[in-house]
Amino acid sequence: GAVVSQHPSWVICKSGTSVKIECRSLDFQATTMFWYRQFPKQSLMLMATSNEGSKATYEQGVEKDKFLINHASLTLSTLTVTSAHPEDSSFYICSARDQGLAGVYSYEQYFGPGTRLTVT
Amino acid sequence: GDSVTQMEGPVTLSEEAFLTINCTYTATGYPSLFWYVQYPGEGLQLLLKATKADDKGSNKGFEATYRKETTSFHLEKGSVQVSDSAVYFCALSDGSSNTGKLIFGQGTTLQVKP
Repeated sequence: GAVVSQHPSWVICKSGTSVKIECRSLDFQATTMFWYRQFPKQSLMLMATSNEGSKATYEQGVEKDKFLINHASLTLSTLTVTSAHPEDSSFYICSARDQGLAGVYSYEQYFGPGTRLTVT
Repeated sequence: GDSVTQMEGPVTLSEEAFLTINCTYTATGYPSLFWYVQYPGEGLQLLLKATKADDKGSNKGFEATYRKETTSFHLEKGSVQVSDSAVYFCALSDGSSNTGKLIFGQGTTLQVKP
């Protein structure tokens, strides 16, 4: 259980175009999803917290108009990189928070396999 | 703000050697602590966790004890295998703000040689 998928797993796009990445929780409901960015051989940097039915909360320094996040349902969040540039090339990872069973509140997050974005 | 510091890698060990990866944290409130593992080409997987002081998390031969007095959560394994080669991330979740955000350490690459 607790599987999170991402689509696509890799994408190459031209500078100036937009790219949408999907994150789905396959076997549980996630009212909260997180989007991270990981540079080569570096840690994960939290970009934003995505809450179902409300606006995302962005971390300091992350451009919300460039990285559009939509959390339309309890199992799907999307990240759209608008007007992509080569410096946006990175590994984007989402995670979903399992609200727990039987009302037990859990901070555990389940991670997707990541999406490799290359902007040429 | 809250932070996590891990020992720098890469750590290179021979098979069956003892492993320790140090992790210390700074936090307000009462965080939960986690170790995640990222195998080559894959996403992060939860390895183990501890939610309060003196708790010991364990999984697949790995262990870590939540030490509040030393603000540490060191990862240990008695006998590593080649298949343990991966990047290991220590993380904490802020237990007081209820945001569920995870703060990660910089990651430690482990390479186990046969």
